[in-house]
Amino acid sequence: QQQVKQSPQSLIVQKGGIPIINCAYENTAFDYFPWYQQFPGKGPALLIAIRPDVSEKKEGRFTISFNKSAKQFSLHIMDSQPGDSATYFCAARYRGGSEKLVFGKGTKLTVNP
Amino acid sequence: NAGVMQNPRHLVRRRGQEARLRCSPMKGHSHVYWYRQLPEEGLKFMVYLQKENIIDESGMPKERFSAEFPKEGPSILRIQQVVRGDSAAYFCASSPGLADGYTFGSGTRLTVV
Repeated sequence: QQQVKQSPQSLIVQKGGIPIINCAYENTAFDYFPWYQQFPGKGPALLIAIRPDVSEKKEGRFTISFNKSAKQFSLHIMDSQPGDSATYFCAARYRGGSEKLVFGKGTKLTVNP
Repeated sequence: NAGVMQNPRHLVRRRGQEARLRCSPMKGHSHVYWYRQLPEEGLKFMVYLQKENIIDESGMPKERFSAEFPKEGPSILRIQQVVRGDSAAYFCASSPGLADGYTFGSGTRLTVV
């Protein structure tokens, strides 16, 4: 059972485009939703994160939109660059627990020059 | 300040051998997490440890897998009698406490032949 569903599996955009990656969850015990960026051969790196009491958060070119009632959140990358080509994972953390994260399956983003 | 250090980066084992994966957390971090990533999949939580204590091992297979984080030295993930299905990337992450987000290492890629 996939607790965090991520889509699309892959995404190709042109430089300057705005790729959008979506995630949905069922468990209301989640209290923190980070996004990770992973380059081939590297570990995931925290990109941006949001709590469910906030509907939007921006950091540089990255924006998270959060819809608590729909149990959905998404990552938008403004003015995307070829260097943004990577795999992106959404995740969710259980409230009051061991800080363990449940990850989506990932989205492979390709930004063409 | 060095990041989370994992070694070896690549490990090849024959079926039935033991694999030992090491993780040195960031300086000042006393919380360690292990995750496993299968090809084309997101990361799956395995175990959460603090110094000399296993806090949450709900993601660990019941047999052949064990983890420790001794008072001195790195955290060790040990896989006994490896099978082909154990082939994966194993990532360690650390945090200073129950804080938002944690830092991942670059992983150990285990191949069982």
